[in-house]
Amino acid sequence: DVKVTQSSRYLVKRTGEKVFLECVQDMDHENMFWYRQDPGLGLRLIYFSYDVKMKEKGDIPEGYSVSREKKERFSLILESASTNQTSMYLCASRGSGSSEQYFGPGTRLTVT
Amino acid sequence: KNQVEQSPQSLIILEGKNCTLQCNYTVSPFSNLRWYKQDTGRGPVSLTIMTFSENTKSNGRYTATLDADTKQSSLHITASQLSDSASYICVVPSNSGYALNFGKGTSLLVTP
Repeated sequence: DVKVTQSSRYLVKRTGEKVFLECVQDMDHENMFWYRQDPGLGLRLIYFSYDVKMKEKGDIPEGYSVSREKKERFSLILESASTNQTSMYLCASRGSGSSEQYFGPGTRLTVT
Repeated sequence: KNQVEQSPQSLIILEGKNCTLQCNYTVSPFSNLRWYKQDTGRGPVSLTIMTFSENTKSNGRYTATLDADTKQSSLHITASQLSDSASYICVVPSNSGYALNFGKGTSLLVTP
């Protein structure tokens, strides 16, 4: 079974703090994704990566950056957290040749 | 404009009853459509995939249909159980190859 894990299920941070969300997958997938999910808006793509050290902006990259130093790990960074970044963050991975994305359990981030 | 629209937004049914969720899409060209189930506080999990040539596919009590001519899909749940309470998300890959078009989901509550 594909397993995608995220470093925290719940996180509370203060405005202005630097926040790291970590995601690890164990299926040697080339592609990894970060989404945020908000009520009434559905899932929105923040960034994705199709290879180590490669990254592409998604639909809402402002205020975020990412890092992919190893194939299995994809990190989402909030350089200076703001209250409007309070959300559920979901990581996903996908192998080449497949359209199915495997999601992690999510991190519910609250910025106060 | 969202290229994947789902209805209804939410639904409450009694345990044991059937229900049908709808998904309309405008994504072109079309390759496939997936239905995901997302339990509260969890990441989405793929239920079924429909390709262009498939009209109906069953996965236990879940039956998905696809009409590629009208660009509509439905997910029918038979003899609902309390564990069916979740959000059901319709997803169609974009023609970019990486991104997915997500519907906003239907929130289903099955009550005793």
